[in-house]
Amino acid sequence: DQQVKQNSPSLSVQEGRISILNCDYTNSMFDYFLWYKKYPAEGPTFLISISSIKDKNEDGRFTVFLNKSAKHLSLHIVPSQPGDSAVYFCAATRGFGNEKLTFGTGTRLTIIP
Amino acid sequence: DAEITQSPRHKITETGRQVTLACHQTWNHNNMFWYRQDLGHGLRLIHYSYGVQDTNKGEVSDGYSVSRSNTEDLPLTLESAASSQTSVYFCASSDQGGSGNTIYFGEGSWLTVV
Repeated sequence: DQQVKQNSPSLSVQEGRISILNCDYTNSMFDYFLWYKKYPAEGPTFLISISSIKDKNEDGRFTVFLNKSAKHLSLHIVPSQPGDSAVYFCAATRGFGNEKLTFGTGTRLTIIP
Repeated sequence: DAEITQSPRHKITETGRQVTLACHQTWNHNNMFWYRQDLGHGLRLIHYSYGVQDTNKGEVSDGYSVSRSNTEDLPLTLESAASSQTSVYFCASSDQGGSGNTIYFGEGSWLTVV
């Protein structure tokens, strides 16, 4: 039972354009959501997070949107850069400080120069 | 610089053999985790520990065990390796009471069971 889903295994975007990565979850108990970025042969690194009390969080070129009623979140990258090419994992947890993360299946983002 | 290291980075073993993957962190973090990454599944939690002598089963713990005898290390043991355990394994650590953004992952251990 995949509680966190990323339905797009891959995405290609032109450099300079907006990249939008989507994530859906089924467990209504999740209240903290994170995005991780992973380069080949490296471990995942934290990118940005959002609490369920918010619907938007920005950090530079990265913005995460949360729609609790739809159990959907998205990551926007503007403008996209070649260094953004990586696999992006959405993750969710119950309770701030609960480190047991449930990950999505990942989306491979390729930025085309 | 503090870090988290995994060894070996690559290993090929035979079905039925016992295998241990090492994980060592120098942040003095209380929390440590083992995940496996498989195509179509993302990262799945195998075992985790919130401190010395504490171990807990995660989502996919069958066939795996861990022990936590000190703060720095959480070795993952496959008691009798199976082909289904061919995967990339990631160790992670975090501060007690932190949020997911304080989780640090190792670089991964590629395990092939033949």
